[in-house]
Amino acid sequence: GENVEQHPSTLSVQEGDSAVIKCTYSDSASNYFPWYKQELGKRPQLIIDIRSNVGEKKDQRIAVTLNKTAKHFSLHITETQPEDSAVYFCAAADKIIFGKGTRLHILP
Amino acid sequence: DTAVSQTPKYLVTQMGNDKSIKCEQNLGHDTMYWYKQDSKKFLKIMFSYNNKELIINETVPNRFSPKSPDKAHLNLHINSLELGDSAVYFCASSQVVDNSPLHFGNGTRLTVT
Repeated sequence: GENVEQHPSTLSVQEGDSAVIKCTYSDSASNYFPWYKQELGKRPQLIIDIRSNVGEKKDQRIAVTLNKTAKHFSLHITETQPEDSAVYFCAAADKIIFGKGTRLHILP
Repeated sequence: DTAVSQTPKYLVTQMGNDKSIKCEQNLGHDTMYWYKQDSKKFLKIMFSYNNKELIINETVPNRFSPKSPDKAHLNLHINSLELGDSAVYFCASSQVVDNSPLHFGNGTRLTVT
């Protein structure tokens, strides 16, 4: 079955700087890679996703890159803001297996 | 008009009791899921139903029994509750299996004392 590794588990960045979270997956058949943001006490919510037929996708300050050969994908957040502080989860299909999460702290 | 709604929001009960959590989605999705989020925030899939049929059962104890009366509802019944069952349980739905975003409910915080 699929196994998803996510790093780092905790990340602190200065407001305005960029943050990068990385994930690797094991099943080469996986073709869908979503990222979810979970604020404290709230439910996880999709922020961006990418399918295996593209290498990069961008939505304003958020981008995701995918390297199918190396089986890894990354989340990039630029110009970080206080409201970006949350736990971020990567996931891979099938069965939507989640990484263990990255707690992102934006420092003022 | 919440898309995925689950009840109750909080559930406090004693060891050995039986409890149920209900989930309903009004998105017209075919697939529904139960996830368990423990104190370390790990999200683990428990079950998935596609059009009322069980398609994923991830090594969950037999004390947990999902029931899907129709594709808009997926309930979770837990027998003989144990301390280790304390967690936040999230219901979710997606349009299709594997390849579409999950829409989560607000979670049910279960505390077993």
